[in-house]
Amino acid sequence: QKEVEQDPGPLSVPEGAIVSLNCTYSNSAFQYFMWYRQYSRKGPELLMYTYSSGNKEDGRFTAQVDKSSKYISLFIRDSQPSDSATYLCAMSRSGGSNYKLTFGKGTLLTVNP
Amino acid sequence: DVKVTQSSRYLVKRTGEKVFLECVQDMDHENMFWYRQDPGLGLRLIYFSYDVKMKEKGDIPEGYSVSREKKERFSLILESASTNQTSMYLCAIQGNTEAFFGQGTRLTVV
Repeated sequence: QKEVEQDPGPLSVPEGAIVSLNCTYSNSAFQYFMWYRQYSRKGPELLMYTYSSGNKEDGRFTAQVDKSSKYISLFIRDSQPSDSATYLCAMSRSGGSNYKLTFGKGTLLTVNP
Repeated sequence: DVKVTQSSRYLVKRTGEKVFLECVQDMDHENMFWYRQDPGLGLRLIYFSYDVKMKEKGDIPEGYSVSREKKERFSLILESASTNQTSMYLCAIQGNTEAFFGQGTRLTVV
């Protein structure tokens, strides 16, 4: 079983839809969880960061972590064509910059006007 | 704002050439990483460095080496480029937990 599993999509939705992106993981030591957005031919940019279980909201974006189920989600409300990108989940075991991140393979999202 | 700058956006090199990919950061972070990204395979860690002159192998170091002579600069070296090294190369620095990426170098080996 891979450490982090992410459905690659592609996912295509109409503008204004609510989008749900998900990752599952197997390593219970993961405590820090991130979502990155990557536009075509660009480097990933950090979108959301959460620690342990719970929710975090930032504008139209909500990140959820359920450590008991080893499941993380990113919700996008009122999706826009500018949200079209690949979304990568990432996680690490502990704080401190010595720990490598483990990434999902990314989900390609297209929001159609 | 965190800035991670990769020297080239696009490169085309010939098989057998020695290739240098440069990465510079302006945040004084100790930790720097090189990844490659391929369709269906995601991000794979090639090498990383925790400090000047220190390096650690990642998951796919074969065919690559690195150099870190100054804290702000981390170079990835393809000793003898091969077509299977055609890829998107991403440099990153890591803060307390999250990583910040450069814009990527799309390398094509012909």
